[in-house]
Amino acid sequence: GESVGLHLPTLSVQEGDNSIINCAYSNSASDYFIWYKQESGKGPQFIIDIRSNMDKRQGQRVTVLLNKTVKHLSLQIAATQPGDSAVYFCAESLNSGYSTLTFGKGTMLLVSP
Amino acid sequence: DSGVTQTPKHLITATGQRVTLRCSPRSGDLSVYWYQQSLDQGLQFLIQYYNGEERAKGNILERFSAQQFPDLHSELNLSSLELGDSALYFCASSVEFGRASTDTQYFGPGTRLTVL
Repeated sequence: GESVGLHLPTLSVQEGDNSIINCAYSNSASDYFIWYKQESGKGPQFIIDIRSNMDKRQGQRVTVLLNKTVKHLSLQIAATQPGDSAVYFCAESLNSGYSTLTFGKGTMLLVSP
Repeated sequence: DSGVTQTPKHLITATGQRVTLRCSPRSGDLSVYWYQQSLDQGLQFLIQYYNGEERAKGNILERFSAQQFPDLHSELNLSSLELGDSALYFCASSVEFGRASTDTQYFGPGTRLTVL
């Protein structure tokens, strides 16, 4: 598959562990945030999103936490599986007419069986 | 499978040449976005079209242009290619502006451009 980056921060976990991937976003005015997963050779895939009027949102095995005070976003993956191995990107946006997504650099998650 | 298709999957060309990348959005999506992903710059937004009209512009070089056709497919034209243009180019689509769980951006599989 295609490599998306050679110098990404990497998180290595064991299957079954909980994973936490962190992201510092840049614009204090951003009010919409998304986590994407990118597997080797594929395009980014939507995982979960959160608006700035919330500080936590849960999905299936995933939770996103937002701390606007320190401009920090995290993605928690419960009971991590080998299929979760991928690069994870956070993205931020303003909820205004012409705003688009700004992606972070990404974190590579490696899950060992 | 996101429903967004991109062709070609791979493209190898020489410096100075011009290429066209093609994207078909998901059925019903009116917005198309183009992104460039390189090893040193990450995923960079280039341009967005909504229902045929340019809506937002990012870090797109003047040598690059795009358009969205009446059938909503889009093409990204890259000209006077340089070695540094080698990257993955992704197209994404959304119903409207891609800022809600019910209106997220869906990405295609990408086109790998190699400029020699």
